[in-house]
Amino acid sequence: DTGVSQNPRHKITKRGQNVTFRCDPISEHNRLYWYRQTLGQGPEFLTYFQNEAQLEKSRLLSDRFSAERPKGSFSTLEIQRTEQGDSAMYLCASSRSGLNTEAFFGQGTRLTVV
Amino acid sequence: AQSVTQLGSHVSVSEGALVLLRCNYSSSVPPYLFWYVQYPNQGLQLLLKYTSAATLVKGINGFEAEFKKSETSFHLTKPSAHMSDAAEYFCAVIRGYGGSQGNLIFGKGTKLSVKP
Repeated sequence: DTGVSQNPRHKITKRGQNVTFRCDPISEHNRLYWYRQTLGQGPEFLTYFQNEAQLEKSRLLSDRFSAERPKGSFSTLEIQRTEQGDSAMYLCASSRSGLNTEAFFGQGTRLTVV
Repeated sequence: AQSVTQLGSHVSVSEGALVLLRCNYSSSVPPYLFWYVQYPNQGLQLLLKYTSAATLVKGINGFEAEFKKSETSFHLTKPSAHMSDAAEYFCAVIRGYGGSQGNLIFGKGTKLSVKP
């Protein structure tokens, strides 16, 4: 169990640029979640996958955001035409299916839009 | 709909003193509740969880929490604070009924400072 891995850990980008983050879940976990955490706030749910299917998306996930999990393993979160308001920590978590299974969080990707 | 409210964005205690971090929940269905800890620039680590079994839940690092339905509370306590407890703590509830433990609604967090 190597844990949930997120890359990069930090990203600084200019407003208007596109960015992509990657999340590698724990290998036997078929559920994967994305959260956004802004300064001074708790994490907010963005979306989640079961295997390769994206089952739920928050209204926070505007049309500039897209998440994929093409083979049911790693996932990517892309933000197009970044805005300063996108600056946040983006957290990924994974779990097995079922109600009583713990979700494990990665260390996050901190995005700064300048 | 579920929600959690953390009372106090910042709590400061002396080393060795009692830690009490407050969380109240709102839920129309039996809630599953969690406490997570976050160190600076790190992800979240699960401290403990309530999943409708024992109302007093013991977690890691000496923390425990008691589910009180009459008070809609799930406060986190530790008898004696240690310097290494300084971090931000989040209370969370599962979204919806029968949802996954990864599908959570978080409170705004309480930053715990520990004075020597």
